[in-house]
Amino acid sequence: EAGVAQSPRYKIIEKRQSVAFWCNPISGHATLYWYQQILGQGPKLLIQFQNNGVVDDSQLPKDRFSAERLKGVDSTLKIQPAKLEDSAVYLCASSVSGTANTEAFFGQGTRLTVV
Amino acid sequence: DQQVKQNSPSLSVQEGRISILNCDYTNSMFDYFLWYKKYPAEGPTFLISISSIKDKNEDGRFTVFLNKSAKHLSLHIVPSQPGDSAVYFCAASGSIPGTNAGKSTFGDGTTLTVKP
Repeated sequence: EAGVAQSPRYKIIEKRQSVAFWCNPISGHATLYWYQQILGQGPKLLIQFQNNGVVDDSQLPKDRFSAERLKGVDSTLKIQPAKLEDSAVYLCASSVSGTANTEAFFGQGTRLTVV
Repeated sequence: DQQVKQNSPSLSVQEGRISILNCDYTNSMFDYFLWYKKYPAEGPTFLISISSIKDKNEDGRFTVFLNKSAKHLSLHIVPSQPGDSAVYFCAASGSIPGTNAGKSTFGDGTTLTVKP
């Protein structure tokens, strides 16, 4: 079974530039998550999709971050304009359903460095 | 306000001995707890979980204990192996649709080093 695919693996941009990340979840997984992991911290949920609808985006900085999951399959996360504090690993994860008793499967992440 | 805390940033144990990783939580609405393991340059991978209706769950060398009254859980690895060296994240979620269902809140992780 193919895992969660993310691209790119690494990205370096200057502040105020824009950047986009792509994620393809495990086939058949209804729920997709984007997490931000700052060095030395645990993953922090940015947004949760159930199929192509947003379940929770309460921690997404909507003035600069946006995400979409067209057709309920793959997803993109965009940052525009980027700030130095956005430097982090962005993790995409998926699960069979969005219920409590299911684990999430994570991709390898995209390491973003904003200079 | 961090709802899931792993107070030990690092732990070093000898191969063959027991590793005990601890996690505390503050939100009484959490009722499902997970442990993930993370190797460098990889995403976290699920290790073991426990529901709040249980106080122990075992899977091979890994056992998770839950003390609801103390809002504390621990992961025991026996015997520890060098390949267990990784960062371990504790995570918690609830079951209320539209609020905390299916969303894990993570601790900051504990780096385990198992020495040969």
